[in-house]
Amino acid sequence: KAGVTQTPRYLIKTRGQQVTLSCSPISGHRSVSWYQQTPGQGLQFLFEYFSETQRNKGNFPGRFSGRQFSNSRSEMNVSTLELGDSALYLCASSVTGEQSPLHFGNGTRLTVT
Amino acid sequence: GNSVTQMEGPVTLSEEAFLTINCTYTATGYPSLFWYVQYPGEGLQLLLKATKADDKGSNKGFEATYRKETTSFHLEKGSVQVSDSAVYFCALSFITGGGNKLTFGTGTQLKVEL
Repeated sequence: KAGVTQTPRYLIKTRGQQVTLSCSPISGHRSVSWYQQTPGQGLQFLFEYFSETQRNKGNFPGRFSGRQFSNSRSEMNVSTLELGDSALYLCASSVTGEQSPLHFGNGTRLTVT
Repeated sequence: GNSVTQMEGPVTLSEEAFLTINCTYTATGYPSLFWYVQYPGEGLQLLLKATKADDKGSNKGFEATYRKETTSFHLEKGSVQVSDSAVYFCALSFITGGGNKLTFGTGTQLKVEL
């Protein structure tokens, strides 16, 4: 069974631009969560989607948004990029999300210059 | 709010040494507790979990016991190997709005040397 796939692996963007990250969950998994990982703040929860609906949201500004498609694939968008948005963005999928184990992808490394 | 505190790293051990990584939590109620491991250049992998007090999670020689009285979930392994070198994250979660939101500790880097 294929794992969680995140594309692209690396991105370099300029301040003010926007970016879209993609996540394909494990087949049969309906919950997709996104986390931001930085050396200073560690791992922080961004949001979770289940059956195309946002079910949970972390404490991030509105520049961070996401969506989930009918095939459970998810995208995350960050608009008006800031230097502080440089991070590893991790996607995780689970069967239902209700305390079922999370399976993480290898992440997208975003660098904002 | 909920939080997880882990011991600072890096922790450097010789192969076959005993490992303990301390983890304590603050939460209202009784969360589920997890240990995740991150190898270089990869995402996180679930190592073990415990969902209620006195539960012991175990996997690949690692163990952790959910201690409600001390709000702790310390990770232990009797004999570490070089291949155990990684960053270890303690985490907790509640069912929130029907979903699964993890709160992570800052991670503890483990280096095992020959």
